[in-house]
Amino acid sequence: RKEVEQDPGPFNVPEGATVAFNCTYSNSASQSFFWYRQDCRKEPKLLMSVYSSGNEDGRFTAQLNRASQYISLLIRDSKLSDSATYLCVVNPINTGGFKTIFGAGTRLFVKA
Amino acid sequence: ETGVTQTPRHLVMGMTNKKSLKCEQHLGHNAMYWYKQSAKKPLELMFVYSLEERVENNSVPSRFSPECPNSSHLFLHLHTLQPEDSALYLCASSQGLLTRGEQYFGPGTRLTVT
Repeated sequence: RKEVEQDPGPFNVPEGATVAFNCTYSNSASQSFFWYRQDCRKEPKLLMSVYSSGNEDGRFTAQLNRASQYISLLIRDSKLSDSATYLCVVNPINTGGFKTIFGAGTRLFVKA
Repeated sequence: ETGVTQTPRHLVMGMTNKKSLKCEQHLGHNAMYWYKQSAKKPLELMFVYSLEERVENNSVPSRFSPECPNSSHLFLHLHTLQPEDSALYLCASSQGLLTRGEQYFGPGTRLTVT
């Protein structure tokens, strides 16, 4: 089983739609979680951290479900500019290591 | 402007060449990272440096040799690469290892090995 798994998509949604992505992780002791976005042929950029209590930033809501070992990202009122690949990131607890594990990403296309 | 710069942006090299990739961060961070991104694959962490000391080497072949002369600069020295090493090489930095989930990436070097 991969350490971090995401549905690759693509998700094709119209402007104004609500879309949600999930990301599952295998290490139950994982410590911290993040969502990044990566535009085509660009570098990844941090979108938001994921807190245990869930957190919201404008149209974006991130949630963590430790019992089921997944995190989610909800985008409301989708904009054309939201079209990108969304990467889930997990920091597992390691002894003697400092890994940051990226998922392969979920592609989102928002259409006019 | 990300605060992390990488040069060159594109590089084509033969399998017998030696070249170096350079990364510089202007954010005052003290942890830096090298990643490899191949088509349709997740980012692969290669090396992690904290306070100029290497703290993670993710089973990377010896034909890749990192160097971190100070907390602002990171190099990746390349020699006798293989065609499968063609990829986007990304550098990133973070405030420290405890905040390593919050990384700032450079634009990457797109490497083609012929």
